[in-house]
Amino acid sequence: QKEVEQDPGPLSVPEGAIVSLNCTYSNSAFQYFMWYRQYSRKGPELLMYTYSSGNKEDGRFTAQVDKSSKYISLFIRDSQPSDSATYLCAMKGVTGGGNKLTFGTGTQLKVEL
Amino acid sequence: ETGVTQTPRHLVMGMTNKKSLKCEQHLGHNAMYWYKQSAKKPLELMFVYSLEERVENNSVPSRFSPECPNSSHLFLHLHTLQPEDSALYLCASSQDGTGGAGSEQYFGPGTRLTVT
Repeated sequence: QKEVEQDPGPLSVPEGAIVSLNCTYSNSAFQYFMWYRQYSRKGPELLMYTYSSGNKEDGRFTAQVDKSSKYISLFIRDSQPSDSATYLCAMKGVTGGGNKLTFGTGTQLKVEL
Repeated sequence: ETGVTQTPRHLVMGMTNKKSLKCEQHLGHNAMYWYKQSAKKPLELMFVYSLEERVENNSVPSRFSPECPNSSHLFLHLHTLQPEDSALYLCASSQDGTGGAGSEQYFGPGTRLTVT
């Protein structure tokens, strides 16, 4: 079993839709959770960074962490064609392992006009 | 230049060649990382440098040799690679390499490597 599971997609939605992207994980030591966006032929760009459980909102993006279920989500409201990219979840523990991130495989999102 | 830059952006090399990838960060960070990204696979951490000292070597074959001459520059020296080493090689940096708050990793655009 992979430490982090992420549906690879592709996920195709119409412009304006609410998008829900998800990851599950197995390591209860993970405390920091991140979402990166990666456009084709570019490096990953940090979108959201959260600690422990709860919600964090930034513009059209909301990150949710449910540690009891070992489940994290990224919601995109009013999706735009410019949101078309691959979204990677990443996570790490607090102690030990330094700053080592464990990534999901990424979900490819396409927002269509 | 801002953020994290990588050169070259594309590289094609034969299995007997020797080449180097370069990364430079303009963020004043103290930790730098090399990752390998292959299709349908999660990013694989290869090496971590914190304050110019290697703190992690993730069982990477010796045909990959990192070098960190200072906190702003990171190199990945390549020799006698295999076709399965073809991938996107990403460099990242963070304020520190110890984990916890304030250690978010920022990535460069990557070098697309093809080994023929």
